[in-house]
Amino acid sequence: DVVMTQSPPSLPVTLGQPASISCRSSQSLVSSDGNTYLNWFQQRPGRSPRRLIYKVSNRDSGVPDRFSGSGSGTDFTLKISSVEAEDVGFYYCMQGTHWPPYTFGPGTKVSIK
Amino acid sequence: VRLVESGGALVKPGESLRLSCEVFGFPFATAWLSWVRLAPGKGLEWVGRSKSKNDGGGMDYAAPVKDRFTISRDDSRNTMFLQMNSLKTEDTGVYYCTTDPLWTGGDFWGQGTLVTVSS
Repeated sequence: DVVMTQSPPSLPVTLGQPASISCRSSQSLVSSDGNTYLNWFQQRPGRSPRRLIYKVSNRDSGVPDRFSGSGSGTDFTLKISSVEAEDVGFYYCMQGTHWPPYTFGPGTKVSIK
Repeated sequence: VRLVESGGALVKPGESLRLSCEVFGFPFATAWLSWVRLAPGKGLEWVGRSKSKNDGGGMDYAAPVKDRFTISRDDSRNTMFLQMNSLKTEDTGVYYCTTDPLWTGGDFWGQGTLVTVSS
């Protein structure tokens, strides 16, 4: 199975400042169809998870444009351009190229300093 | 669009439980759906997936639950099920049903249902 790693595990951020989360996969996530199936999910306290980004850099409907995804191959990044209080929670990357199974990263906890 | 899970409960190790996920406002028959769980103090874990009948109707499972869990669906009732047998303490967590993570047509999750396996 593909192993996903994330850094940092915990990320205290000042309101209004940018934040960046790194995700790495144990093998390339480029699929035979040319797509790279790397998603980012957010889980806020007491809420169900939601997908923020699919296929590396595509924002889901309703996701603020302060969230952006980038990367290729085995290295990916989620950036928040200006952190707001509602962004507190856990963030997970997930690969869907080499399925089954889909595999999630261990998560990054974003908090406010 | 709403996904509504039900069936979570407190059970003993070795017992069985069946979860349901009813889908509203969505073309259920053509949807790929997944179960994802969140164990206490741990991260998200994909449990399994149900493909639509149009796409072969197959099911896939994560290794920790394969041979113990079975996903099924009733398209006439817009409902997906997760039959969980031989439950272990490590199966404890909140179980969510969701549209397939790779589907680009949207992202929908249920509210989650709590399964507690404890003696």
